[in-house]
Amino acid sequence: QVQLVQSGAEVKKPGSSVKVSCKSSGGTFSNYAINWVRQAPGQGLEWMGGIIPIFGTPNYAQEFQGRVTITADESTNTAYMELSSLRSEDTALYYCARGGPNYDSLTFTPLGGWFDPWGQGTLVTVSS
Amino acid sequence: EIVLTQTPLSLSVTPGQPASISCKLSQNLLYSGGKTSLSWYLQKPGQPPQLLIYEVSNRFSGVPDRFSGSGSGTDFTLKISRVEAEDVGVYYCMQSIQPMYTFGQGTKLEIK
Repeated sequence: QVQLVQSGAEVKKPGSSVKVSCKSSGGTFSNYAINWVRQAPGQGLEWMGGIIPIFGTPNYAQEFQGRVTITADESTNTAYMELSSLRSEDTALYYCARGGPNYDSLTFTPLGGWFDPWGQGTLVTVSS
Repeated sequence: EIVLTQTPLSLSVTPGQPASISCKLSQNLLYSGGKTSLSWYLQKPGQPPQLLIYEVSNRFSGVPDRFSGSGSGTDFTLKISRVEAEDVGVYYCMQSIQPMYTFGQGTKLEIK
């Protein structure tokens, strides 16, 4: 059974960057998408982007283009999400979630699928 | 970007009674292979979301059969035939068609 374990809580200053990790165990890592979803306090879910590790080409939500970098390391079955130029509005719980194996044949980015399992979440607090 | 609009945003249900949540999309969902990429999640208090339904109507492993999904095109529905106390939380629909995945704003279910 696949399990996703995320890195611990972070406190960051405005303008800095944060890198959150998501380690997969118990199943195939390389062929399935890893997606990142964030949830601001008391708010809903917001998809940030995803990657299929074997291809290594991420796609990003428009809102985060230019600020987010999603990568995956097949040697350690770990995916990463780095968010830069942090501001107070980025204070949120950040989740990784496994998607499906399907991909766009032109861009090799995740296509379709559903999210299961989810990581436990990583709280990122941005405060001066 | 495909916008998902859930209604209602909250509902209070007596145990044993049914509940229904609508998810309306701003455009049709379909991708090659004829599968419709619409899934439903329940986020219980203090927990990550959990998958309930995938591809519109397929119940995920371990999900009670009181949960069902239906719909096509732009209109989708999650139904709970008999609400139980453990069903409290926020329900989200999600579309996963390339290139932008989006969630509905969530529907909070409370028990009367």
